[in-house]
Amino acid sequence: QKEVEQNSGPLSVPEGAIASLNCTYSDRGSQSFFWYRQYSGKSPELIMSIYSNGDKEDGRFTAQLNKASQYVSLLIRDSQPSDSATYLCAVRDPTSGGSYIPTFGRGTSLIVHP
Amino acid sequence: DVKVTQSSRYLVKRTGEKVFLECVQDMDHENMFWYRQDPGLGLRLIYFSYDVKMKEKGDIPEGYSVSREKKERFSLILESASTNQTSMYLCASSPGLLYEQYFGPGTRLTVT
Repeated sequence: QKEVEQNSGPLSVPEGAIASLNCTYSDRGSQSFFWYRQYSGKSPELIMSIYSNGDKEDGRFTAQLNKASQYVSLLIRDSQPSDSATYLCAVRDPTSGGSYIPTFGRGTSLIVHP
Repeated sequence: DVKVTQSSRYLVKRTGEKVFLECVQDMDHENMFWYRQDPGLGLRLIYFSYDVKMKEKGDIPEGYSVSREKKERFSLILESASTNQTSMYLCASSPGLLYEQYFGPGTRLTVT
């Protein structure tokens, strides 16, 4: 059974700080990794995708992938109250019996306080 | 922009009714998914379709069926609605097997 683990939080950071969200996954064969943001009562929306080791930056967001440690993280710079949401980590890989079904973590709740 | 639409935002049905939830995507995506999301349980996959007329069971298929007759449309059917199927239902599509998913706005279904 593949697992994707996230700390449920809440993670509370002051406005303007860097928020660091972490995710570990169990399947060493995983090849694609995603971060989604979900506001309360809304559906998840894609923030970042990352496929290779290292950092990927998009505006205030940076995704970091370390396949050797089976670890993916999301950094949010200059955090704003509007970033307050639940962040979901997801993994897809081609080795789970060929089914390619994504595996989601349960999410980390982020609160950015003014 | 990818657009995934769902037929209803809110739906109230009675126990035993047959319920149809429809999802349409406009980006010619191969894969489509149905999830339900409940507090504390995260996203749980009900069914997955990787191509037209192809479907695969997810983690919790019991009590549900699906139909994908056209590439852009994926329907979820609750054969006989029960109160434990009260939930938020989310449809998603993806351009390929290793790629990101795009979610619809969700349907909050209440079964009384």
